[in-house]
Amino acid sequence: QVQLVQSGAEVKKAGSSVKVSCKTSGGTFSTTAINWVRQAPGQGLQWMGRIIPFLGIAEYAQNFQGRLTITADKSTTTAHMELSSLRSDDTAVYFCAREEEGYRFAYWGQGTLVTVSS
Amino acid sequence: QSALTQPPSVSGSPGQSVTISCTGTSSDVGSYNRVSWYQQPPGTAPKLMIYEVSNRPSGVPDRFSGSKSGNTASLTISGLQAADEADYYCTSYASSSTFVFGTGTKVTVL
Repeated sequence: QVQLVQSGAEVKKAGSSVKVSCKTSGGTFSTTAINWVRQAPGQGLQWMGRIIPFLGIAEYAQNFQGRLTITADKSTTTAHMELSSLRSDDTAVYFCAREEEGYRFAYWGQGTLVTVSS
Repeated sequence: QSALTQPPSVSGSPGQSVTISCTGTSSDVGSYNRVSWYQQPPGTAPKLMIYEVSNRPSGVPDRFSGSKSGNTASLTISGLQAADEADYYCTSYASSSTFVFGTGTKVTVL
């Protein structure tokens, strides 16, 4: 049974950074992409980026280039998402999602609320 | 990458059918049969309902179906039930290993 468990809620100051983790269990970690998706309060889903742990290469949405770093630790089967230079409009729930064959986000973490205060 | 365009809301009575459109461009929806649909009740993580345009994961009722024509994909819910009330999002693979989500549609069962 595949499970994705994310780290807890964070409150950050504008201008700082936040790092959210996504611990996976079940299935094969190294060769399966982990994606990050966020949802601002009352808004829709926004794709942020992905990483295939085996390759260690991340792809990012243009909106986040330069501020977003996605990494993966094969030894702990954990993916991390770090967003820097935080602004108030980065306040959102951040989800990790495991991408299965067919380019589908079949498994999701429970979400992590990041609140950015000025 | 601009978000795919969905209608903000659709509604129907129990037993009726509703269809949600998802319009992209020739760089995403039009180029790849890699469109998925997700259901998201309030306060929960999204759930995969359709992948690769028209495939249903195990456990998803066959009342849910997907299709695509040109740059527009569609999700149809037949035999609408109260439990179907939620937000629905499409997503498409785009170029360079990236994805783009739709703007989201709220389905209301009257």
